[in-house]
Amino acid sequence: ETGVTQTPRHLVMGMTNKKSLKCEQHLGHNAMYWYKQSAKKPLELMFVYNFKEQTENNSVPSRFSPECPNSSHLFLHLHTLQPEDSALYLCASSPSPGPQETQYFGPGTRLLVL
Amino acid sequence: QQPVQSPQAVILREGEDAVINCSSSKALYSVHWYRQKHGEAPVFLMILLKGGEQKGHEKISASFNEKKQQSSLYLTASQLSYSGTYFCGTERPGGADGLTFGKGTHLIIQP
Repeated sequence: ETGVTQTPRHLVMGMTNKKSLKCEQHLGHNAMYWYKQSAKKPLELMFVYNFKEQTENNSVPSRFSPECPNSSHLFLHLHTLQPEDSALYLCASSPSPGPQETQYFGPGTRLLVL
Repeated sequence: QQPVQSPQAVILREGEDAVINCSSSKALYSVHWYRQKHGEAPVFLMILLKGGEQKGHEKISASFNEKKQQSSLYLTASQLSYSGTYFCGTERPGGADGLTFGKGTHLIIQP
C-alpha cells in the first residue's frame, strides 16, 4: 500500500464511450502524475500537475483530458479512444515535481479499448 | 531521451548476485530505481543524486557514476521476492517535470 489509490482497477470501453479514471493520494503531496505503460514499452509520462496546475503535457492526444481539482485528486477523462490506447494507466504522486523527489505509484487501471 | 538498461533479462538461482545497469546519453542530476511485480504498481527502491546523496532501502545498494552518466543496482544474495521488472528513471530534458524511464530489466529468481 503506497498511499495512492486508483479506480477502477480494470476498464473495458468501446471507441465511442466516455469514461474517467480516478486517482487519490493520501500522502499530502503536491505533485501528481499520469503515466501510460504499454506492453513491452517503458513507462511513458503523460501529464504532471503541481499544486493543481498542469506543468507538463508530454504531447498527449486530446482524447485524453486530465483534471486536477485539488492536490489530492487527479482524473483522466477518456473519449473516443483507439485500440492502441489499451494499456495500464498509472498515477503517481510526490512531495514536489523535482528530480530529487520519490514518486509513489498507485496500482494502476488496466484499460482495454475495443 | 530515455535511459538504456542492461541486461534486458536475468535468471538467477536464489542466493546469487546480480547487477543491473542504467546509462544515459546526457548529464544526470538523479537516477531513480523502481521494482514492479506483475500486475502491481512500481515500488520505489532508491534515488541517487549528483554529489553522492542516496535515499532508499537499506538492503538495496546502488552506484551513480556522474562522469559516465550511468548507475548500477546491486542485488546480493538474491531472494525469491526480488523477482520482478526493475526500472531506472531519470529527469527529463530541459528541466521538465516528471521522469523518463528505461525499458526495464526482467529478473527471475529460481529456488
